[in-house]
Amino acid sequence: SYELTQPPSVSVSPGQTVSITCSGDKLEDKYVCWYQQKPGQSPVVVISQDSKRPSGIPERFSGSNSGNTATLTISGTQPMDEAEYYCQAWDSGTRSHVFGAGTRVSVL
Amino acid sequence: EVQLVESGGGLVQPGGSLRLSCVASGFTFTSDWMGWVRQAPGKGLEWVANIKQDGSEKYYMSSMKGRFTISRDNAKNSVYLQMNNLRAEDTAIYYCARDDHTVTPYFDYWGQGTLVTVSS
Repeated sequence: SYELTQPPSVSVSPGQTVSITCSGDKLEDKYVCWYQQKPGQSPVVVISQDSKRPSGIPERFSGSNSGNTATLTISGTQPMDEAEYYCQAWDSGTRSHVFGAGTRVSVL
Repeated sequence: EVQLVESGGGLVQPGGSLRLSCVASGFTFTSDWMGWVRQAPGKGLEWVANIKQDGSEKYYMSSMKGRFTISRDNAKNSVYLQMNNLRAEDTAIYYCARDDHTVTPYFDYWGQGTLVTVSS
């Protein structure tokens, strides 16, 4: 089955830039979506189709996907961005949604 | 405004059954796939199942195939998850989500979740 790999955690200082990676075999052939989840809340899409930002999501969130790695970048990180972030892709071969294990972003 | 409201969670004994419901509003229900995603306590997101607009296609996480059944009633704007032979490891928050297949499948709207606890 297809797998997506994320680092368990990253930390960033307020105002700095942080990048979260998501790795999978030939991931560039798939579209990647990124979800933000804060404690006690439901997930929210921050990036879809590799790099599209839904309305209401701040411009500091951006995404890219190349080779075997997709990346979510938060520029000028705010304390409110502290959350768990999950990548997700659709595996057409098995007709399955696949999630990464999540990355905890700490704003220190 | 898109709203997804789940219900039906609770405490159930191992081997028991439970039926989750999700009522949707704020969009044309018959135009979209729907899905269920779960999250065990302190763990990550795990896709459970999804269903096509007319119910003609259904897909499941392999570990749940045969125990879980997804269905929908378009007249009631509702999607369901029938869970049988429940195990302790099925304990989780179960989220109902709209499964946008316009370009590539992803979950663009989520409900607040309903907690299922499997314990004796």
